Amino acid sequence: AQSVTQPDIHITVSEGASLELRCNYSYGATPYLFWYVQSPGQGLQLLLKYFSGDTLVQGIKGFEAEFKRSQSSFNLRKPSVHWSDAAEYFCAVATSNDYKLSFGAGTTVTVRA
Amino acid sequence: NAGVTQTPKFQVLKTGQSMTLQCAQDMNHNSMYWYRQDPGMGLRLIYYSASEGTTDKGEVPNGYNVSRLNKREFSLRLESAAPSQTSVYFCASSEVSDEQFFGPGTRLTVL
Repeated sequence: AQSVTQPDIHITVSEGASLELRCNYSYGATPYLFWYVQSPGQGLQLLLKYFSGDTLVQGIKGFEAEFKRSQSSFNLRKPSVHWSDAAEYFCAVATSNDYKLSFGAGTTVTVRA
Repeated sequence: NAGVTQTPKFQVLKTGQSMTLQCAQDMNHNSMYWYRQDPGMGLRLIYYSASEGTTDKGEVPNGYNVSRLNKREFSLRLESAAPSQTSVYFCASSEVSDEQFFGPGTRLTVL
């Protein structure tokens, strides 16, 4: 079965600084990879997804992620964070067999002024 | 276009009580899902329905039942609530092999 690890439980970043969130997955074949964001008290919103093709994926809100098969990673980046980026971020993986999502435990991002 | 809606938004139950969480989607998706979210554990799949008329267990199905009422609606039932079922519950829908769209969640407390 597939699994996802997000090594960082909590990250604090200054407004305007860059942000990188780590995600490692375990799955034998090529996975479908997703990043979701959850603002406090809200549901989850898709930031970006990777199915195939170009390994650098652009998403909404200025986020991007890079799929690295050799490292089993799908790290999320943003060059300059805004206070509104404070939220919890979830990496998820699905298989081509049944498309069920397995989520990481999440990374909480705090943005300081 | 409301997307995925869930009712109720909040619920408090006593141990042993039963309740049904409702979910509806208006995107004509074939697949629907129920997750629970607990601190530090991400979202865990309870049950899913790949298409109308089918349901399957996910990672944590014990203590829950589901009904895919029609293509739009997918309900989650707790027959005898336990404190361990205190959680935030999310419904989602998707087309197979595409992103899942999530509802706003139901915050359930079992005393």
